[in-house]
Amino acid sequence: QVQLQQSGPGLVKPSQTLSLTCTISGDSVSSNNAAWNWIRQSPSRGLEWLGRTYYRSKWYNDYAVSVKSRITINADPSKNQLSLQVNSVTPEDTAVYYCARDGWLGWLGPWGQGTLVTVSS
Amino acid sequence: EIVLTQSPGTLSLSPGERATLSCRASQSVSSRYLVWYQQKPGQAPRLLIYGASSRATGIPDRFSGSGSGTDFTLTISRLEPEDFAVYYCQQYGSSLFTFGPGTKVDIK
Repeated sequence: QVQLQQSGPGLVKPSQTLSLTCTISGDSVSSNNAAWNWIRQSPSRGLEWLGRTYYRSKWYNDYAVSVKSRITINADPSKNQLSLQVNSVTPEDTAVYYCARDGWLGWLGPWGQGTLVTVSS
Repeated sequence: EIVLTQSPGTLSLSPGERATLSCRASQSVSSRYLVWYQQKPGQAPRLLIYGASSRATGIPDRFSGSGSGTDFTLTISRLEPEDFAVYYCQQYGSSLFTFGPGTKVDIK
């Protein structure tokens, strides 16, 4: 079955870049039947979808308006991974970050295990 | 962007009781793209209901979903101890996902 394993630092300094990776097994990041998403969760903002990447002869991205100017989601087919970068982070970006698959059915799953990222000096 | 509102914020019930959770959208949502998740502490959300009323694989039949347009409901017919958790609705549309703020079902 499809499994997502997240990795990345749990502590990032303000104004720096948050970087996370999600390694996919049981499916391909280049699949024509899936898109690969990042979501975060914090007490103040709840569950917040950040964006996704998908391949349809070329790579496409969709981003949430609230973070569009600061985030980049990329895929690395050679490693079957997707990545998230959030620039110029502030304490407001402190959250548990998840990666998740969507099969174009309107729901997200499976999810990665989650990574708590704290933005603090 | 469609905003989802869930009520109540917290529902305090006893095992065996019926739970009725509401999700209201700021504008009409396609039933095809309205889903419900369950989340327990330290875990990722788990899909319960998709397409407003279809149970995901392995979900017990005590969970049911209904609704259309802007008003949707998740019902748990008889609460089991493992059902005490937070429940989120989510909609998909215009190439983005939005979530409700959640309803916590806790033990009375």
